Amino acid sequence: ETGVTQTPRHLVMGMTNKKSLKCEQHLGHNAMYWYKQSAKKPLELMFVYSLEERVENNSVPSRFSPECPNSSHLFLHLHTLQPEDSALYLCASSQRTSGGTDTQYFGPGTRLTVL
Amino acid sequence: DQQVKQNSPSLSVQEGRISILNCDYTNSMFDYFLWYKKYPAEGPTFLISISSIKDKNEDGRFTVFLNKSAKHLSLHIVPSQPGDSAVYFCAARKGGSNYKLTFGKGTLLTVNP
Repeated sequence: ETGVTQTPRHLVMGMTNKKSLKCEQHLGHNAMYWYKQSAKKPLELMFVYSLEERVENNSVPSRFSPECPNSSHLFLHLHTLQPEDSALYLCASSQRTSGGTDTQYFGPGTRLTVL
Repeated sequence: DQQVKQNSPSLSVQEGRISILNCDYTNSMFDYFLWYKKYPAEGPTFLISISSIKDKNEDGRFTVFLNKSAKHLSLHIVPSQPGDSAVYFCAARKGGSNYKLTFGKGTLLTVNP
């Protein structure tokens, strides 16, 4: 596997379900990100982990819970979601530089539908 | 309030011609800008970037121009190819240790053979 992978690619869940999205990066990067892309909206940053510590939480509801067990893996745990949470969830990684000019590399995304 | 705006939802050009995709931003704290390309069912792919200390960066067929006074950047693709048909996103970041990329809504480019 190369680059950034995400599983599953598609997920349908009910509002009472609990599910998890998984992201793995094979690039040796030290930062990982979760983004959300809703229909007709720009990509929105949700969470950032740098060296396995959460460094940014962009006012995301607590029904989304991220986990970063090591520098290569990132999870997004989902529970009691709402239909408006249906979106494309993208994972990205980057190698942070002191100058802040690192490039984020994205996975293919998980298309989530909440019924 | 959208800080990065791509006002053209779509653009159609003929193969071999120039494609010009535009992006405007409102936050003067942005100092690093990126363009991503996205095909259906795939994640965004990095294309090219530019720092605010430059006004032009070129990589093969792709050139990004930055006009800081106008808070405007553009992506030129010359010559355009049918494989360039995709959604193009402009993104911007504030300086320093800031992690957050702010994205535009994207422009769908269609290159006709």
